[in-house]
Amino acid sequence: GAVVSQHPSRVICKSGTSVKIECRSLDFQATTMFWYRQFPKKSLMLMATSNEGSKATYEQGVEKDKFLINHASLTLSTLTVTSAHPEDSSFYICSARDSSLLAGGPSSYEQYFGPGTRLTVT
Amino acid sequence: AQSVTQLDSQVPVFEEAPVELRCNYSSSVSVYLFWYVQYPNQGLQLLLKYLSGSTLVESINGFEAEFNKSQTSFHLRKPSVHISDTAEYFCAVLLWYGGSQGNLIFGKGTKLSVKP
Repeated sequence: GAVVSQHPSRVICKSGTSVKIECRSLDFQATTMFWYRQFPKKSLMLMATSNEGSKATYEQGVEKDKFLINHASLTLSTLTVTSAHPEDSSFYICSARDSSLLAGGPSSYEQYFGPGTRLTVT
Repeated sequence: AQSVTQLDSQVPVFEEAPVELRCNYSSSVSVYLFWYVQYPNQGLQLLLKYLSGSTLVESINGFEAEFNKSQTSFHLRKPSVHISDTAEYFCAVLLWYGGSQGNLIFGKGTKLSVKP
């Protein structure tokens, strides 16, 4: 159980174009999902918290107009990188929390991670 | 300030040798602890976690970690590593503020390289 998928796994796009990455919780509902960015040999950097039916909460320094997040259903969040540039090339990972555990304690904060999306902007 | 420190960025070991990956944290609130593993070009997988109960927790593939509150540590150990254990390991700490409020923060990761 607790499987999270991401699509695509790899994408190459030209500078100036936009690319959408999907994150799906396959066997549970997730009112809260997270988007991370991972640079080579670095840890995960939390970009934003995606909340179903409401606006995402972005971390300081992350451009909300460049990284558009939509969480329209309990099993799907999307990250759109708009007007991509080579410096946006990175590994993007999403994670999700199981909504059925929200009423609980710390165990409800466990995050289930997707396999990641490698974005290359040329 | 709340933080997670993984003291070693890289740990090279020979196959069948023991290994310890260190993790220390700093927090003024209650904490719950996790170790995640990331294989090349993949996402993170939960390796083990401490939420309550015994401070020594084990994974299905032979890793164990012990929550030491006095030393604010959660070091990961394995008595005999395999080539397949080569991966990046992330320590994560859930800062628990109570009332269903928490924040998960990650260490910078330790790359474990197992050599034949």
